[in-house]
Amino acid sequence: DIRMTQSPSSLSASAGDRVTITCRASQNIIIYLNWYQQKLGQAPKVLIYGGSSPQTGVPTRISGSGSGTDFTLTITSLQPEDSATYYCQQSYSAPYTFGQGTKLEIK
Amino acid sequence: QVTLKESGPVVVKPTETLTLTCTVSGFSLSSARMGVSWIRQPPGKALEWLAHTFSNEEDSYSPSLKRRLSISKDTSKSQVVLTMTNMDPVDTATYYCARTRVVAATYWFDSWGQGTLVTVSS
Repeated sequence: DIRMTQSPSSLSASAGDRVTITCRASQNIIIYLNWYQQKLGQAPKVLIYGGSSPQTGVPTRISGSGSGTDFTLTITSLQPEDSATYYCQQSYSAPYTFGQGTKLEIK
Repeated sequence: QVTLKESGPVVVKPTETLTLTCTVSGFSLSSARMGVSWIRQPPGKALEWLAHTFSNEEDSYSPSLKRRLSISKDTSKSQVVLTMTNMDPVDTATYYCARTRVVAATYWFDSWGQGTLVTVSS
């Protein structure tokens, strides 16, 4: 199985800040990396697929980049509604594994 | 509007078989490049992909759970069914079904059900 490792596990930032979450795959997954946002008590919601393609309706201040084994999710101009746990997920090969999650708190 | 809704028992006993149904609307289970996956999340833990089914009859399972899982669909009823045998307390989790898209080899879960919490307890 491909292991996905996210860092940091949690972070706290202020409204208006810029944050970056990193995801590292245990092998080359080319661009087959997706990002999801899960708010407390809700189902996950896709933000980015294929490494950098935004899902329809996702604000432009949320972006993804990377290829190979290293990927990042960047959120600029943090808003209170960005408080959530963020997961990366590889779609290179089954089983389609997720990272352990990054919990983002807005101060 | 695409919706998915999971249904099934809230509590199952150890060693029993779990049967979950995902009822979809807003898309067809016979649509090309669209499928349905099952994903679970133990309380306070990360997400785990379990299985998927596509219109071309391509089914796939997590290798670690393959011998316990079975996925099937009834296109006329717009339903996908997941069965998991020999349930154990470690299988306690919220189970989600999610529409799965495939475009140029990129694969992602673009719509999710609300999830159903299944507790395994005697």
